[in-house]
Amino acid sequence: EPEVTQTPSHQVTQMGQEVILRCVPISNHLYFYWYRQILGQKVEFLVSFYNNEISEKSEIFDDQFSVERPDGSNFTLKIRSTKLEDSAMYFCASSAPYGGARELFFGEGSRLTVL
Amino acid sequence: AQSVTQLDSQVPVFEEAPVELRCNYSSSVSVYLFWYVQYPNQGLQLLLKYLSGSTLVKGINGFEAEFNKSQTSFHLRKPSVHISDTAEYFCAVTLTYGQNFVFGPGTRLSVLP
Repeated sequence: EPEVTQTPSHQVTQMGQEVILRCVPISNHLYFYWYRQILGQKVEFLVSFYNNEISEKSEIFDDQFSVERPDGSNFTLKIRSTKLEDSAMYFCASSAPYGGARELFFGEGSRLTVL
Repeated sequence: AQSVTQLDSQVPVFEEAPVELRCNYSSSVSVYLFWYVQYPNQGLQLLLKYLSGSTLVKGINGFEAEFNKSQTSFHLRKPSVHISDTAEYFCAVTLTYGQNFVFGPGTRLSVLP
């Protein structure tokens, strides 16, 4: 069964460092998303991406964040200068462009720890 | 903007007992509704969804949910839970295809032996 894959599963970084989280969405999906979940808290929307551009973003997704789809398969989230409060689980998701599916398919997540 | 409320942050229940996890949403327009489950240290897995049609929807692992438009609710139920159902359950809504999902705060279901 096709799945969304994310790397790394866990990354530890120093405050102020740049981090890139990678995702490979399901191959025939067209909408891509990043969500984050601070430990023990709710799942929060960061950004959605369609047709090679951001379609929607939350107020969390400030200038420190960026996304891109560099090669037609990977979908990356970059945090330019990490802060302690960026420590969270980051989930990538994708959804299909056809039929009545609608649901998001999530990866297993990338745990980011900022020291 | 839409929002989702899950009033119960934690629900302990004994094995083989029934359970209901409550979800209420707020939206001025029609929504699509979903329940996701998150097992420890894992991603979110779809349990079931309501898009249209029958208000009673059945999902995986014996779960079902009923959409009630007048009460703006989408409560999740299972007639007999197992230890393996211990997990975090999230209710979510979206307005239209491609738009982001808004998640509720989650309900931690603990099934006790």
